Amino acid sequence: GDSVTQMEGPVTLSEEAFLTINCTYTATGYPSLFWYVQYPGEGLQLLLKATKADDKGSNKGFEATYRKETTSFHLEKGSVQVSDSAVYFCALSSIQGAQKLVFGQGTRLTINP
Amino acid sequence: GAVVSQHPSRVICKSGTSVKIECRSLDFQATTMFWYRQFPKQSLMLMATSNEGSKATYEQGVEKDKFLINHASLTLSTLTVTSAHPEDSSFYICSAVQGSNQPQHFGDGTRLSIL
Repeated sequence: GDSVTQMEGPVTLSEEAFLTINCTYTATGYPSLFWYVQYPGEGLQLLLKATKADDKGSNKGFEATYRKETTSFHLEKGSVQVSDSAVYFCALSSIQGAQKLVFGQGTRLTINP
Repeated sequence: GAVVSQHPSRVICKSGTSVKIECRSLDFQATTMFWYRQFPKQSLMLMATSNEGSKATYEQGVEKDKFLINHASLTLSTLTVTSAHPEDSSFYICSAVQGSNQPQHFGDGTRLSIL
């Protein structure tokens, strides 16, 4: 079945550091890919998405490119801020899965001032 | 836009109590709503998919008689945890979708604690 694998956390960085959170997936067909962010005690917010190969999703300085050849959707940000501290989830949705989201295990990110 | 409201945000109750959680799409009509459960420091696990006016589809291993889902309108779905026990304590999150090929929009979650 479909699955998503994220790099294990927690990840701790200093403010203004470069961020990469790796995400790879296994799916039949051509899924849509998402990054969601969860702040403490809250639900998930959609951060960015990409629906086809080579698409780049971007939002709030975060970027991720849909790489079909490597089945990856790594999240990057050039300069992180303390306010970026949260848990980040990579997810996929396939037509075969009837729009169900399959989540990775989540990566907890802490940014120190 | 695309706001999903979940209520209550936190519930603490005694074992044996039934608890109802509401999920509302405030500014759009949700053709489908999803219910997830999240254990501490873990990912979200889909419990069931709910379409307006029809019975919910439960994921394998989820007891449909334990977790009753009603999706009576295009803006409201409810999850009732019947006769809750301490092992049902968890963070429950709903999401709503406006149509096909649209992203899910999540509520802020309900933290359920059963004493």
